[in-house]
Amino acid sequence: DTEVTQTPKHLVMGMTNKKSLKCEQHMGHRAMYWYKQKAKKPPELMFVYSYEKLSINESVPSRFSPECPNSSLLNLHLHALQPEDSALYLCASSQVGSYGYTFGSGTRLTVV
Amino acid sequence: DAKTTQPNSMESNEEEPVHLPCNHSTISGTDYIHWYRQLPSQGPEYVIHGLTSNVNNRMASLAIAEDRKSSTLILHRATLRDAAVYYCILRDDNFNKFYFGSGTKLNVKP
Repeated sequence: DTEVTQTPKHLVMGMTNKKSLKCEQHMGHRAMYWYKQKAKKPPELMFVYSYEKLSINESVPSRFSPECPNSSLLNLHLHALQPEDSALYLCASSQVGSYGYTFGSGTRLTVV
Repeated sequence: DAKTTQPNSMESNEEEPVHLPCNHSTISGTDYIHWYRQLPSQGPEYVIHGLTSNVNNRMASLAIAEDRKSSTLILHRATLRDAAVYYCILRDDNFNKFYFGSGTKLNVKP
């Protein structure tokens, strides 16, 4: 299995809702990442997990809460989002160190 | 964090070579140069990476300047499926993170 699987592919949520994005990989990668991508812009790093521990938080607002329950799974919990948080959310994984990333196809989130 | 500079867009004819340039004048000695591409409605896809020497793989070649302040991704024969946004990225070997540059949108004409 050489894929990163993200679910759901599309999500529409209201500003008072709580939802979660899920990311799964079975490549034995011990680093996992969340990126946010607005239309026609490059991906922006949000969080990095290394060996299931949060190692980097790029000053992301607390309405985004990451979780890494095991080495194969990464979640992003969403609460009280704003319409400007609408974007494509990408998950990636890699071996820890200077290796290539494998990206999922993303979850397209719309906040209404 | 080191930054990369790429042209916003480039155009190529099908079955011709394409040279995509990237400037990274503030690169440090531990930064690896990575290239990814993103097809429409997909996540970024690994293309190639290198540190100092030129690199070849089945997808492309990477030519790195001797001073490492610039690099060029070479697609030897562009196909319509190569139309994508190509990102040149520096990765700090000490920190497990990528920062994407603005990317070059490659259009391939039949």
